[in-house]
Amino acid sequence: EAGVTQSPTHLIKTRGQQATLRCSPISGHTSVYWYQQALGLGLQFLLWYDEGEERNRGNFPPRFSGRQFPNYSSELNVNALELEDSALYLCASTTGHVGNTIYFGEGSWLTVV
Amino acid sequence: QQQVKQSPQSLIVQKGGISIINCAYENTAFDYFPWYQQFPGKGPALLIAIRPDVSEKKEGRFTISFNKSAKQFSLHIMDSQPGDSATYFCAASDGTSGSRLTFGEGTQLTVNP
Repeated sequence: EAGVTQSPTHLIKTRGQQATLRCSPISGHTSVYWYQQALGLGLQFLLWYDEGEERNRGNFPPRFSGRQFPNYSSELNVNALELEDSALYLCASTTGHVGNTIYFGEGSWLTVV
Repeated sequence: QQQVKQSPQSLIVQKGGISIINCAYENTAFDYFPWYQQFPGKGPALLIAIRPDVSEKKEGRFTISFNKSAKQFSLHIMDSQPGDSATYFCAASDGTSGSRLTFGEGTQLTVNP
């Protein structure tokens, strides 16, 4: 069974540009979570999507947004990129049941220059 | 504020030794406490998890000890091996935002041969 898959693996963007990151959850999972892992800062919760709806967002500015598609895949968009947006962006998925294990993908490295 | 504090930031242990990582939380509504292991360039992988109705859970060489009154939990790695060298994250969730996890800052474990 395929795990959570993310693309691209690496992305280099210029400050002010937009970045789009994609995630395919494990088959049967309807919830998708996005986390940012900046160097030395641990994992910070970004967004939670379930059944196509944004359910919760972390303490990030509105230029971080995303959506979930009918097939439960998701994309994360970061507008007006800033240097401090450089990080590993991790997607995780789980079933819709509260408290179930969440499984992470390998992440997408975003570098803003 | 929902926080999970993790210590130490880094840990060096000899092969065969015991590695101990500690976490403390503030939110008494947390009811699920997983530990994740992350190797360089990989996404975090669930190692072991506990709920507050038990004080200890053991899986192979890995044990979680949980102290509800002190709002603390810890990971013990017995007979530590060089292959255990990784970053370990504790986390917690309270079910109010699905399976959203609040992570500790991470502990970089090095097991010397």
